[in-house]
Amino acid sequence: EAQVTQNPRYLITVTGKKLTVTCSQNMNHEYMSWYRQDPGLGLRQIYYSMNVEVTDKGDVPEGYKVSRKEKRNFPLILESPSPNQTSLYFCATRGAGGLDTQYFGPGTRLTVL
Amino acid sequence: DQQVKQNSPSLSVQEGRISILNCDYTNSMFDYFLWYKKYPAEGPTFLISISSIKDKNEDGRFTVFLNKSAKHLSLHIVPSQPGDSAVYFCAASEMDFGNEKLTFGTGTRLTIIP
Repeated sequence: EAQVTQNPRYLITVTGKKLTVTCSQNMNHEYMSWYRQDPGLGLRQIYYSMNVEVTDKGDVPEGYKVSRKEKRNFPLILESPSPNQTSLYFCATRGAGGLDTQYFGPGTRLTVL
Repeated sequence: DQQVKQNSPSLSVQEGRISILNCDYTNSMFDYFLWYKKYPAEGPTFLISISSIKDKNEDGRFTVFLNKSAKHLSLHIVPSQPGDSAVYFCAASEMDFGNEKLTFGTGTRLTIIP
């Protein structure tokens, strides 16, 4: 079964405490990305990766880091979280079939106090 | 500046009737459009898409219409079923330095009334 998993699903943390949200996929997709969803703004892309060791900024990369050391994993790192990073985060993967083959993870709801 | 707009935050439709969800865009470089469906506590799932060279695409109960001159697309669901109750996002794609970049609308919450 095609799966994109994210952990944790829910997280409450405090300003400045480094955290990592993991994303893993079992579809051997080369393209992976992170989005955040905020009320009134839709989903916005944070970072994307076209393959292992290839990452690039999306529309809202400030305050985030990513790494792509292996094909299946694409962690999102918040080195010093701030309250404006409180959001719902989605990892997504995309297959060779293009945009119609984009799968999203179940989401991680992050609250930064 | 919201390049993809869904002006109706919510919509209620009687079961069995037609649901019409609308989406407007401003960027003429968008060349591919998609609709996603999202249930609570789940990620969005792909529903249907349309290329800018077409004006209609149909898949079962779902039809997407594209009016390029008006920069408008719509999703028709006929007949509507209770399981269609969800948030629907439209999204538009453009090529941005080798990345097929998606821009999402803000979503419309569809409620099907039994």
